[in-house]
Amino acid sequence: SQQGEEDPQALSIQEGENATMNCSYKTSINNLQWYRQNSGRGLVHLILIRSNEREKHSGRLRVTLDTSKKSSSLLITASRAADTASYFCATARNTGTASKLTFGTGTRLQVTL
Amino acid sequence: GAVVSQHPSWVICKSGTSVKIECRSLDFQATTMFWYRQFPKQSLMLMATSNEGSKATYEQGVEKDKFLINHASLTLSTLTVTSAHPEDSSFYICSAYGLSNEQYFGPGTRLTVT
Repeated sequence: SQQGEEDPQALSIQEGENATMNCSYKTSINNLQWYRQNSGRGLVHLILIRSNEREKHSGRLRVTLDTSKKSSSLLITASRAADTASYFCATARNTGTASKLTFGTGTRLQVTL
Repeated sequence: GAVVSQHPSWVICKSGTSVKIECRSLDFQATTMFWYRQFPKQSLMLMATSNEGSKATYEQGVEKDKFLINHASLTLSTLTVTSAHPEDSSFYICSAYGLSNEQYFGPGTRLTVT
């Protein structure tokens, strides 16, 4: 299986704390993306980092990518209850005209008041 | 931003019947769409790549005769689950590939086979 691994599988923190999720993958990639999924809903695209980038920021999100270790991390700072969701990394590899995404196993984040 | 819709959002069917799920790109054209399946508390698994005007490409282990995909136009792909069984109960999500090298995901369809 090409599927990546994420850890932790579940994370429970209090509002205001930072949350860090890690993702490891197996093959070479064009880019790596992070998505959020609320329970029973579709995916929301959070951020994309290209294979030649090492760090990227978007609001309270910070993503790092280490292609030598085939790993990435997502940091959510000053978490809020609304951040409660599952978070997935997905690696993209070109297949001609479109990039296939391979999703990690996901981290379930619970932010409590 | 780009919007992808799915219909129906949920469906319950009896074992042995067929169910069709539609995926539409509402404000852009998508020559390529993807279909994923997600079991409870698990990740998304790519089932197949749907290409407009040509046959779909299925991932290893996915039965093409059971999961029929039709991508007849640049804005519509359909997934038909034929002779559905309880083990086919899952959350099916489509995505449409846009020009910005991003995939836009639909809201998903919850299929329950009784």
